[in-house]
Amino acid sequence: AAGVIQSPRHLIKEKRETATLKCYPIPRHDTVYWYQQGPGQDPQFLISFYEKMQSDKGSIPDRFSAQQFSDYHSELNMSSLELGDSALYFCASSLQLAPDTQYFGPGTRLTVL
Amino acid sequence: KQEVTQIPAALSVPEGENLVLNCSFTDSAIYNLQWFRQDPGKGLTSLLLIQSSQREQTSGRLNASLDKSSGRSTLYIAASQPGDSATYLCAVETSGSRLTFGEGTQLTVNP
Repeated sequence: AAGVIQSPRHLIKEKRETATLKCYPIPRHDTVYWYQQGPGQDPQFLISFYEKMQSDKGSIPDRFSAQQFSDYHSELNMSSLELGDSALYFCASSLQLAPDTQYFGPGTRLTVL
Repeated sequence: KQEVTQIPAALSVPEGENLVLNCSFTDSAIYNLQWFRQDPGKGLTSLLLIQSSQREQTSGRLNASLDKSSGRSTLYIAASQPGDSATYLCAVETSGSRLTFGEGTQLTVNP
């Protein structure tokens, strides 16, 4: 079965650079979630989208923005990167119409040097 | 603000033992609770999802229970195997569909 796809899987950036992370949800899933997991920490919710509209917002820095496109894929844009942004970024998808499991992608490991 | 706590933080058991992982949450107004498995540096694998109206879910050697009123869930692993070694995360879904995670229990099953 198709799973959530995230790209790239690994990304290395310098401080103050920008990064774009992409997420392709499971086919027919209409809701996308972004989570950040720092080293040794539990995942923290950043933001979610339903039908291309932001549905919930968590602890996402102002330097970050995200959107969901007409094909339901989502992109997380990160600017003015800081060392503390180094983390594993997960995308998850679900079908909003029914209470459903959030299916997680493999994550993008971002390292900021 | 929802807070999720998992006990113990780490657990080491010999192969074949039955074990219980605990999860507690402060706000009982949840939609569901999920248990995940995470291998080092890897993604999250959903193990079980319990809706707020349910009491338990079973999958193979795994059984998860939910006591919503007391804000508790347990994950029971029967006949543990070395391949079960991983970090187990409990997460609750509240308003807006966001998941709030616990800090996880790092399980080591020794051959």
